[in-house]
Amino acid sequence: DIQMTQSPSSLSASVGDRVTITCRASQSISSYLNWYQQKPGKAPKLLIYAASSLQSGVPSRFSGSGSGTDFSLTISSLQPEDFATYFCQQSYSTPYTFGQGTNLEIK
Amino acid sequence: QITLKESGPTLVKPTQTLTLTCTFSGFSLSTSGVGVGWIRQPPGKALEWLALIYWDDDKRYSPSLKSRLTITKDTSKNQVVLTMTNMDPVDTATYYCAHRALTGLYWYFDLWGRGTLVTVSS
Repeated sequence: DIQMTQSPSSLSASVGDRVTITCRASQSISSYLNWYQQKPGKAPKLLIYAASSLQSGVPSRFSGSGSGTDFSLTISSLQPEDFATYFCQQSYSTPYTFGQGTNLEIK
Repeated sequence: QITLKESGPTLVKPTQTLTLTCTFSGFSLSTSGVGVGWIRQPPGKALEWLALIYWDDDKRYSPSLKSRLTITKDTSKNQVVLTMTNMDPVDTATYYCAHRALTGLYWYFDLWGRGTLVTVSS
């Protein structure tokens, strides 16, 4: 199985901050990496697919980068609605594993 | 507009079989490239991918759960059914179904149901 490791597990930041969450795969997954946002009690929402493609309707302050084993999700200027948990997921090979999540909290 | 909705029991006893139904609209599971997946999330924990069924009836399962899972589709009813045998309290989780979309070589779950919480307890 491909292990997906996110860091940090939790992060405190303020509105307007620039934040970056990283995701590392245990083996190369090319660009087969997706990012999701989840708010409490809600289903995950797709933000980024194929490592860097912004899903339709997602604000441009979200961006993704990386390939191979190292990936990142960046929020350029945090908005109040961005405080949530973020998960990466590899779509390269089964089982299609998720990272453990990064909880983004208000400082 | 694509929507998905999970349905099934909220409480099952240990050793019982869980049957969950995903009823969807806004797309056809007979369209090339389309799929529906199941993902679960224990309370306060991470997401875990369980199974995926494709438009051509190809199926993929999580190896760790493969012996317990069966995924099927009924294209005429716009439904996907997941069964999980021999339920255990550790299987307590919110179960989601999601639409698999494909862009070029890359696929992703672009739309999810609201999820259904299944508790396993005697």
